Amino acid sequence: ETGVTQTPRHLVMGMTNKKSLKCEQHLGHNAMYWYKQSAKKPLELMFVYSLEERVENNSVPSRFSPECPNSSHLFLHLHTLQPEDSALYLCASSQGGKGQPYEQYFGPGTRLTVT
Amino acid sequence: TQLLEQSPQFLSIQEGENLTVYCNSSSVFSSLQWYRQEPGEGPVLLVTVVTGGEVKKLKRLTFQFGDARKDSSLHITAAQPGDTGLYLCAGVHASGTYKYIFGTGTRLKVLA
Repeated sequence: ETGVTQTPRHLVMGMTNKKSLKCEQHLGHNAMYWYKQSAKKPLELMFVYSLEERVENNSVPSRFSPECPNSSHLFLHLHTLQPEDSALYLCASSQGGKGQPYEQYFGPGTRLTVT
Repeated sequence: TQLLEQSPQFLSIQEGENLTVYCNSSSVFSSLQWYRQEPGEGPVLLVTVVTGGEVKKLKRLTFQFGDARKDSSLHITAAQPGDTGLYLCAGVHASGTYKYIFGTGTRLKVLA
């Protein structure tokens, strides 16, 4: 496997379910991101992990819970979601040093539908 | 609120035509990137520009970063159906930061 992979690609869940999204990067990068992409809205940054430490939490509701067990894996745990949480959830990774631009490489996304 | 406005929002053109997409902000960016996203897939990085006035070429695509680093443009020459997709710009305000701001997107359709 190369690049950034995400599973599952599609997920339908009820509002009372608990599910997890998984992301794995094979690029040796040191930062990983979760984004939400909804129709007619720009990509919204949700969480950023750098060297397995959360460095960004963009006022995301607590029903979304990220986990980064190591620099190659990132999870998004979902609990008691709302229909408006239906969206494409994208994972990305990047590698950058001080003063260098971080170039993000995205996975294919998980299309989530909350019923 | 920091915004990156892209124009046009939608563009439908015939194969062989030229087009330009714009990405504008009132804020200065330390770097700016362009992505293309196809339906059902994640965005794919096309280019990163860092220096004001910088021009980069990728085959038929020409990217320019404004002198003041507040805006950028993407020009496609002789568009092909394979260029169809959602074009996104994304910027960071300070180097070494992870907080990317994404543009509103330009959806391009090139008809054969």
